[in-house]
Amino acid sequence: GQQLNQSPQSMFIQEGEDVSMNCTSSSIFNTWLWYKQDPGEGPVLLIALYKAGELTSNGRLTAQFGITRKDSFLNISASIPSDVGIYFCAGQAGNKLTFGGGTRVLVKP
Amino acid sequence: GAVVSQHPSWVICKSGTSVKIECRSLDFQATTMFWYRQFPKQSLMLMATSNEGSKATYEQGVEKDKFLINHASLTLSTLTVTSAHPEDSSFYICSASADTDTQYFGPGTRLTVL
Repeated sequence: GQQLNQSPQSMFIQEGEDVSMNCTSSSIFNTWLWYKQDPGEGPVLLIALYKAGELTSNGRLTAQFGITRKDSFLNISASIPSDVGIYFCAGQAGNKLTFGGGTRVLVKP
Repeated sequence: GAVVSQHPSWVICKSGTSVKIECRSLDFQATTMFWYRQFPKQSLMLMATSNEGSKATYEQGVEKDKFLINHASLTLSTLTVTSAHPEDSSFYICSASADTDTQYFGPGTRLTVL
């Protein structure tokens, strides 16, 4: 079946740093989505990408849909403590979502 | 807008019993609802897709007789885990979609089977 490879699996952030994560797929998707999930809660949509090459921002978040429709990256600028959580990419084909493995963002001790 | 709720938020049951989880779209009519399962430190895996008034479509490897899904109205879908066993312990998340294909996720239900 379709698989989305998301990296890194985890990362430590220090307040004020910029962080980046990406997803690649073996399949083409019509829509690419980025979600954040806090512990014990459902995922919350951060950014939706609909066109190949599209670059979209939502506050400190920026995401781009790859030209081939098989990859995407998410950047978080000037990270703050509440950015901690798990970030998932998801590719949408029709009405079905396929999720990446997630990137766990943690705070540097 | 586009709020989805789940009930209960957590449940503990004995092995062999059945558990029902409700998913409601509070402020919109959901023509399609989806059920996902998420094991600890893993991603969300789609279990089934249900359209109001019709039978659910299950993903490969998901037992339809074990995970009963009912989507009787445009605002309510239920997932019943029948004869639950410890390996069914997981975080179950639903999502709901109107006609736009955008899925709105519920807060999840933590199921623990003893």
